[in-house]
Amino acid sequence: AQSVTQPDIHITVSEGASLELRCNYSYGATPYLFWYVQSPGQGLQLLLKYFSGDTLVQGIKGFEAEFKRSQSSFNLRKPSVHWSDAAEYFCAGGPGTASKLTFGTGTRLQVTL
Amino acid sequence: GAVVSQHPSRVICKSGTSVKIECRSLDFQATTMFWYRQFPKQSLMLMATSNEGSKATYEQGVEKDKFLINHASLTLSTLTVTSAHPEDSSFYICSAKLAGGASSYNEQFFGPGTRLTVL
Repeated sequence: AQSVTQPDIHITVSEGASLELRCNYSYGATPYLFWYVQSPGQGLQLLLKYFSGDTLVQGIKGFEAEFKRSQSSFNLRKPSVHWSDAAEYFCAGGPGTASKLTFGTGTRLQVTL
Repeated sequence: GAVVSQHPSRVICKSGTSVKIECRSLDFQATTMFWYRQFPKQSLMLMATSNEGSKATYEQGVEKDKFLINHASLTLSTLTVTSAHPEDSSFYICSAKLAGGASSYNEQFFGPGTRLTVL
């Protein structure tokens, strides 16, 4: 089945350290991929998206993600994490011509001071 | 731009009553809106796809008679939880897709969510 997988349920990093959150997809054609962040009790905020073109995508809040077809991955990165980045991060995707999105199970990021 | 609102943000109701949740696209028209359900510390699960002027398409396992969806205009979709029970307590999130965009433009804009508690 076509899906999006986030292997890490929970990640803890120190403030100022670099961050990488993993996301793998299983779509045959080039998928549409997104990263969202959700603070407790809140809705989702779009960090970045990939449709086509440059495989390194820049997003808001200093985040970036790289689409790697050979690895079926779309990992989210940030060079220096801030305490305010602590939240739940969701990778989501869908086949090119469909409207529905499938969400990964999420990765909870904890930032230690 | 592309702001989606939900009302109410939080609702508590008694078992057996019905609750209506509104999802509005404030500054754009949305031919397609989506309704998701999120249990605590879990991911978003798509419940249904709502298309303006037509019947909603429900995902497998979602009771269409229990979760009534109406998409009467290009800026409003409603989800009514009928005869609510405690197990319906959850966080409900809607999203909207831009109307008139390229057929391959798949971005959804999310509302802030509605916390439903059924006593």
